[in-house]
Amino acid sequence: EDQVTQSPEALRLQEGESSSLNCSYTVSGLRGLFWYRQDPGKGPEFLFTLYSAGEEKEKERLKATLTKKESFLHITAPKPEDSATYLCAVQDLGTSGSRLTFGEGTQLTVNP
Amino acid sequence: NAGVTQTPKFRVLKTGQSMTLLCAQDMNHEYMYWYRQDPGMGLRLIHYSVGEGTTAKGEVPDGYNVSRLKKQNFLLGLESAAPSQTSVYFCASSYSVGQKVQETQYFGPGTRLLVL
Repeated sequence: EDQVTQSPEALRLQEGESSSLNCSYTVSGLRGLFWYRQDPGKGPEFLFTLYSAGEEKEKERLKATLTKKESFLHITAPKPEDSATYLCAVQDLGTSGSRLTFGEGTQLTVNP
Repeated sequence: NAGVTQTPKFRVLKTGQSMTLLCAQDMNHEYMYWYRQDPGMGLRLIHYSVGEGTTAKGEVPDGYNVSRLKKQNFLLGLESAAPSQTSVYFCASSYSVGQKVQETQYFGPGTRLLVL
């Protein structure tokens, strides 16, 4: 059974204070790892897809990395508008229909 | 393009009542999904569809039924609502470009359902 564990559950940062969010996963075969951002009262918004260990992707202040067991979402010099819940999800090679297994998310708050 | 839209945005039901949630997408996506999101549980897949006329069970299908009569629409039905079905429901869609390409799922804004 696929499992995704995100840590920490909640993270408070000061504006400009860089940090990382962790996503540990267990799958029989990784087809892809996805990061989403979710603002309160809204649906998840796609950020990145990572396919293989060693891969990195960047978007503004966010950088996602992938190893064989975990993924990190690095946030460099965050701003208050980066406050959101960040969700990690995996897609298993063995599942049909492009199904995703999600973690519970990390709630990030960036104070000005 | 509107992307993925959901109707209604919010609904209150009494135990035993029935209702249908509508999801529509205008991106010509083959795959569509229904999730529920609960505090401390994350997003959990209820049912999904890999094409018009086909549906399959996800992780938590009990108490729900779905239909995909048109490619752009995916309906989620609750025949007899229970308080345990109080949740936020999200619809998503994705396209398929072959076995070696990972398909990104695009989500709707959600439907908040309260069952009393």
